[in-house]
Amino acid sequence: QSVLTQSPSVSGTAGQRVTISCSGSRSNIRSNIVNWYQQLPGTAPKLLIYSNNQRPSGVPDRFSGSKSGTSASLAISGLQSEDEADYYCAAWDDSLSGPLFGGGTKLTVL
Amino acid sequence: EVQLAQSGGILEQPGRSLKISCTGSGFNFGDFAINWVRQAPGKGLEWVGFIRSQTYGGTTDYAASMRGRFSISRDDSKTTVYLQIKGLKSEDTAVYYCTRMSGTSGYDWAFDYWGQGTLVTVSA
Repeated sequence: QSVLTQSPSVSGTAGQRVTISCSGSRSNIRSNIVNWYQQLPGTAPKLLIYSNNQRPSGVPDRFSGSKSGTSASLAISGLQSEDEADYYCAAWDDSLSGPLFGGGTKLTVL
Repeated sequence: EVQLAQSGGILEQPGRSLKISCTGSGFNFGDFAINWVRQAPGKGLEWVGFIRSQTYGGTTDYAASMRGRFSISRDDSKTTVYLQIKGLKSEDTAVYYCTRMSGTSGYDWAFDYWGQGTLVTVSA
């Protein structure tokens, strides 16, 4: 089944470290790279992490990605209020012959 | 500066057709595949389909649920990609984003630049 599963929501206080998980399968996460996107309220998504753990220019090193087997994670350290957004994992799915997005995780900074 | 500028929002009736556009600048447009991703109100991101660069034949692929009514085309002379939707349904109501795809396979792909989005509303 071609689905990427994310927890609907996560929260943390300023300065804290939070982790967002993404669970997939052999046809997507195990076989291909994982990318992460950040969507601030009312804006277009933005590439946050590519190739499992690489940051595009301009993305703070507070954001990091990892992958193991059929799961991937996004970690955000030193949480800031401006990190409050929706976060989406994405992986190419060989069964679908196209990219698959997770359902998204809403991060709330308390 | 890489930019993808999309056409404005549109209201259309069920059963009708529409075509929205995405114009790129600041990069060699013809070298890149362009994808469409949609987001229904309050929902997550959903891949619609993409068109490859002419280097890879300019061919298209679509999500299974989009095949038949959705059509993507490109005019590299105008650095523009189009998304046409036929037989509109209320469930097509969404913000449609165009996005540039770096890489060519599941091992190196990423949506690295996004347009601002086009709100498509399907209602009688």
